[in-house]
Amino acid sequence: DAKTTQPNSMESNEEEPVHLPCNHSTISGTDYIHWYRQLPSQGPEYVIHGLTSNVNNRMASLAIAEDRKSSTLILHRATLRDAAVYYCILLTGNQFYFGTGTSLTVIP
Amino acid sequence: DAEITQSPRHKITETGRQVTLACHQTWNHNNMFWYRQDLGHGLRLIHYSYGVQDTNKGEVSDGYSVSRSNTEDLPLTLESAASSQTSVYFCASSESGTPYGYTFGSGTRLTVV
Repeated sequence: DAKTTQPNSMESNEEEPVHLPCNHSTISGTDYIHWYRQLPSQGPEYVIHGLTSNVNNRMASLAIAEDRKSSTLILHRATLRDAAVYYCILLTGNQFYFGTGTSLTVIP
Repeated sequence: DAEITQSPRHKITETGRQVTLACHQTWNHNNMFWYRQDLGHGLRLIHYSYGVQDTNKGEVSDGYSVSRSNTEDLPLTLESAASSQTSVYFCASSESGTPYGYTFGSGTRLTVV
């Protein structure tokens, strides 16, 4: 029961912004929205998280819809090292349930 | 620096054998989790623990067990390995009571022949 819906794959040109969408229509008021990414042959790594307001960090920005039923991860300038599978996940209590994520291809 | 380590990185075992995968974290996190990752399924939760002596079943717990005797370790045991348990296994840990998410290990690739 992943609770989130993401496109299977996306492509971006290098050094251009990337907007990765996620739908979570069944989100509850206490669920945090997390994004992780997984590089080939590695464990997932934390990217960003938020509850209601948009968030920025050195890796990315997270834009959360006003009704919280969707969110968008924004990579401001895609690099080849950003090629990975990106997971949008709801943190319910202390547990994550992963979906299949979005595989991002960055084109040189 | 604090870390979370899994061992071994790769293992091949035979059907029917008991196998234990190790997970050790030095973050002093109360919460620990085991996931398996298969092509087309993303990561699926096997077992998790919120502290010493606490263990809980996840969505795909059949054929697996865990025990938590200290804060640092959550070993995952396959009681009688089956070919369907060939997978990549990830351990993760997190603090209690915060929304800051998980730190993952590098994974163990298990092949059951």
